[in-house]
Amino acid sequence: SQQGEEDPQALSIQEGENATMNCSYKTSINNLQWYRQNSGRGLVHLILIRSNEREKHSGRLRVTLDTSKKSSSLLITASRAADTASYFCATDANGGGSNYKLTFGKGTLLTVNP
Amino acid sequence: GAGVSQSPSNKVTEKGKDVELRCDPISGHTALYWYRQSLGQGLEFLIYFQGNSAPDKSGLPSDRFSAERTGGSVSTLTIQRTQQEDSAVYLCASSLTSGRETQYFGPGTRLLVL
Repeated sequence: SQQGEEDPQALSIQEGENATMNCSYKTSINNLQWYRQNSGRGLVHLILIRSNEREKHSGRLRVTLDTSKKSSSLLITASRAADTASYFCATDANGGGSNYKLTFGKGTLLTVNP
Repeated sequence: GAGVSQSPSNKVTEKGKDVELRCDPISGHTALYWYRQSLGQGLEFLIYFQGNSAPDKSGLPSDRFSAERTGGSVSTLTIQRTQQEDSAVYLCASSLTSGRETQYFGPGTRLLVL
């Protein structure tokens, strides 16, 4: 089963609104990363948050991490049509010597309507 | 280089034929990863290379899949006797070192097996 699970599966908003996507995972992690994917091609790295961090910002992006609830959220503020894409969270496994393997959720498809 | 590059962008092949997919990682990155993204399975880890260490092949779905990394740089993923279920986007990523580091993805190779 997928380590990371995003919700909602799909989100449609108007330009200028904020978009919030959530991710839950099952096992202990070192890091959690968010990626964006346009049109089913390459993944663009957005932000990495470490297990000892609670919040991180990058431009219009804000990521939170709650390790007690094994969940993370990605907030995109003042959305633009160009933000339309699929968003994935990816986790690495803490311990076991294989923390390089990323496990991805199935993603949230965000549509920003102009 | 500026980023991870992959070739070909698209590949259409007939069932039973062999295919080779190429990945050129970011210069100086010692770790290289292959992932597969298919409709039914989402993003799955396939194989991991780190320097001169033995690769972690634990994600390869069958013995028809193999990969090598020559000179610690370019990697080739080979699929022998392709099957229709091999149709997917094959994504390569690299990171500066192994584990706990951001993985940067290439644009992927979309493979269609007829």
